[in-house]
Amino acid sequence: AQSVAQPEDQVNVAEGNPLTVKCTYSVSGNPYLFWYVQYPNRGLQFLLKYITGDNLVKGSYGFEAEFNKSQTSFHLKKPSALVSDSALYFCAVRASPLKAAGNKLTFGGGTRVLVKP
Amino acid sequence: DTGVSQNPRHKITKRGQNVTFRCDPISEHNRLYWYRQTLGQGPEFLTYFQNEAQLEKSRLLSDRFSAERPKGSFSTLEIQRTEQGDSAMYLCASSHPGSAGSPLHFGNGTRLTVT
Repeated sequence: AQSVAQPEDQVNVAEGNPLTVKCTYSVSGNPYLFWYVQYPNRGLQFLLKYITGDNLVKGSYGFEAEFNKSQTSFHLKKPSALVSDSALYFCAVRASPLKAAGNKLTFGGGTRVLVKP
Repeated sequence: DTGVSQNPRHKITKRGQNVTFRCDPISEHNRLYWYRQTLGQGPEFLTYFQNEAQLEKSRLLSDRFSAERPKGSFSTLEIQRTEQGDSAMYLCASSHPGSAGSPLHFGNGTRLTVT
């Protein structure tokens, strides 16, 4: 079974400071990893993904994430946070298609980010 | 790309009633997913279609839940004899057939309240 853990329910950061949202995963075989953001009463918006290749991936709105296979982590980062980054962030994992795990994406419980001016 | 469309946005129903939600995916996407999200939690997988074929169903999807995608385009999710525990946001997503690495594109969801 595949699973995702987001150990922090909430992250508070001052505007302009670096932002990190933690994620660890468990999956059989090679993982496909994703970050999504959710604003109130809205669906999830895709930010970035890791499939293969460079461990540092860049995504929308200045976000990036670093894949660490040995630590089974995929932390989301932003060098300088904005007040408008305040939202709910979800990490998700899917097993590689060679594994009998179907196509479903498994999400973590989410981390609320609050950026204060 | 007009995005994934879900209707209605909100549904309030009394316990025991049946409800049906509709999802219109992005037109060229052949994969369609239903997820359920309760307050403060991450989305939980319910079911997945590739074209009109329902390929996977979660154990969360009890006998009271049924999903269809009859022509491989829009999908419906029906909940029969609703219970208060069914209150949640129901999210639909679609993805491009390119690869398993294709991201899911989510609609804005249908919020169900069972009184």
